[in-house]
Amino acid sequence: KQEVTQIPAALSVPEGENLVLNCSFTDSAIYNLQWFRQDPGKGLTSLLLIQSSQREQTSGRLNASLDKSSGRSTLYIAASQPGDSATYLCAVSGNYGQNFVFGPGTRLSVLP
Amino acid sequence: DAGITQSPRHKVTETGTPVTLRCHQTENHRYMYWYRQDPGHGLRLIHYSYGVKDTDKGEVSDGYSVSRSKTEDFLLTLESATSSQTSVYFCAITGSGTYNEQFFGPGTRLTVL
Repeated sequence: KQEVTQIPAALSVPEGENLVLNCSFTDSAIYNLQWFRQDPGKGLTSLLLIQSSQREQTSGRLNASLDKSSGRSTLYIAASQPGDSATYLCAVSGNYGQNFVFGPGTRLSVLP
Repeated sequence: DAGITQSPRHKVTETGTPVTLRCHQTENHRYMYWYRQDPGHGLRLIHYSYGVKDTDKGEVSDGYSVSRSKTEDFLLTLESATSSQTSVYFCAITGSGTYNEQFFGPGTRLTVL
């Protein structure tokens, strides 16, 4: 059974810092990996999707990497801003893109 | 925004009553999902659908049923609500031709007293 963990559970940084969020999964037979952000009381917003054949994806200040063989992904946020404060979740899918399994999330606070 | 709406957005009900939550999408996506999100458990899949009248169980399907009679609507029913089903329920779709990227609706907060 696929299990997804995220470290750290919570993180507080001053504005302007670069930071890394970690996601680990136990079964390397994934179809893709997706990063989301969730603001309090809101739904999930897709940030980046990495196909299993890819090593990384970039969108603005965000860069996500994938090492499928070691079961790890990282989300790098450059020059963090208070507006980045949210919970960040990763999810992996198997079976041709279905059966998504989510990690518990990392709660990020960026202090002005 | 993948054109996903959920109704109702908030609901308070009593133990033993039936409850139906609706997910509506406007972009003709084939796959639709129902999740629940709880502190300490994260997001867990309840049921999903891969087409009209085609559904399958997820990790936490006990106590829930679903129906999909039209492509655009996916209904989640709690036949007899229990307090353990108090949760936030999210509907999601996977986008066609986007390597199965998932998009979520705004959620329904359900409280069972």
